[in-house]
Amino acid sequence: DAGVIQSPRHEVTEMGQEVTLRCKPISGHNSLFWYRQTMMRGLELLIYFNNNVPIDDSGMPEDRFSAKMPNASFSTLKIQPSEPRDSAVYFCASSARGNGANVLTFGAGSRLTVL
Amino acid sequence: GENVEQHPSTLSVQEGDSAVIKCTYSDSASNYFPWYKQELGKGPQLIIDIRSNVGEKKDQRIAVTLNKTAKHFSLHITETQPEDSAVYFCAASPRADKIIFGKGTRLHILP
Repeated sequence: DAGVIQSPRHEVTEMGQEVTLRCKPISGHNSLFWYRQTMMRGLELLIYFNNNVPIDDSGMPEDRFSAKMPNASFSTLKIQPSEPRDSAVYFCASSARGNGANVLTFGAGSRLTVL
Repeated sequence: GENVEQHPSTLSVQEGDSAVIKCTYSDSASNYFPWYKQELGKGPQLIIDIRSNVGEKKDQRIAVTLNKTAKHFSLHITETQPEDSAVYFCAASPRADKIIFGKGTRLHILP
């Protein structure tokens, strides 16, 4: 398996533009997580899905952020409009629920810079 | 909700010496405590984990300890090597599908 695949790896955009980050989880994993990493706040859980259904989005900072999982092999995190304070590395992770523990497999991350 | 505190934020040790990273958590319902290692330009990767019914677990040069009463858990790396240089995250899981991470410790192994 190629692991969790995220795209783009790097994105530089201007304030006000829409940003879409993409994630392909490991085949067979039925939980998917979006995390944001910054120096100040570390790894923050934004939202997670079980069987394509959003379970907890309490970490989504504000209405400018939205996430979807239309099928078991694809998820998006969208920021519209983007702001400089959204600059961070965004990680997607997946796990096989029911193994008694959430062993997360992370993607390589998408580094977002908003100018 | 769960809150995980991690110390120190930066740690430098001489190659061959031991490194210890400490974490505390707030939610007594947490029963699973993983540790992740993040190398430069990569996502975090699980290196070891411990459940609340166990006080200590060891895997080669890495060991974790858990004190549920005090809500403390620690990572110990012995005989450190250059490839141990990375950012390490502790985490606590208060319920299925929710893992809360500490802010990370940047470990430098000095030659």
